[in-house]
Amino acid sequence: DGGITQSPKYLFRKEGQNVTLSCEQNLNHDAMYWYRQDPGQGLRLIYYSQIVNDFQKGDIAEGYSVSREKKESFPLTVTSAQKNPTAFYLCASSMDSEAIQYFGAGTRLSVL
Amino acid sequence: AQKVTQAQTEISVVEKEDVTLDCVYETRDTTYYLFWYKQPPSGELVFLIRRNSFDEQNEISGRYSWNFQKSTSSFNFTITASQVVDSAVYFCALSEARGDYKLSFGAGTTVTVRA
Repeated sequence: DGGITQSPKYLFRKEGQNVTLSCEQNLNHDAMYWYRQDPGQGLRLIYYSQIVNDFQKGDIAEGYSVSREKKESFPLTVTSAQKNPTAFYLCASSMDSEAIQYFGAGTRLSVL
Repeated sequence: AQKVTQAQTEISVVEKEDVTLDCVYETRDTTYYLFWYKQPPSGELVFLIRRNSFDEQNEISGRYSWNFQKSTSSFNFTITASQVVDSAVYFCALSEARGDYKLSFGAGTTVTVRA
């Protein structure tokens, strides 16, 4: 089955800890995106990547880091510098020519 | 800067009623895309429609229809004869029609359909 897989579904972070959220796609899409969703709010863009080994900051990149070493993978690290990490994180991918983003099932991050 | 406004935070209807979700957008781009996504309780966003800025034809897909009016910068979404399975959060979004296609989302409208 083609799609976007995010793991884990739930994640807990301790004070001062870095945690990494996984996003894998087998759709052969060029572009990948990370969004953060807070209750009652729309999605806000954290980082995006249009090609391997290249990525750009979105609107709320502070306290986050990413890598794009493989076309199918775009992991997001929530660093200890992110003081309010509790949120629902969604990964998306798209074909450049289509501009339609398809989303994974999300990871819910909470702070212990 | 791009901005999407969904003024309705929550809408509650009884099954079989029609429901219309409003979306108003701001952009300086002359060409752009508009989208609607559905987020059921499971959390995953489901793509519903993409509309090009140069195509103002209304569209109907089953019980869903969309009304795009460039003159008022609106892209409204109507669910006809709503069903309980339509209960979800619905997001309107906007992107440039070139470059990186970054999406700007509205805050979402929560639709609850009661049996």
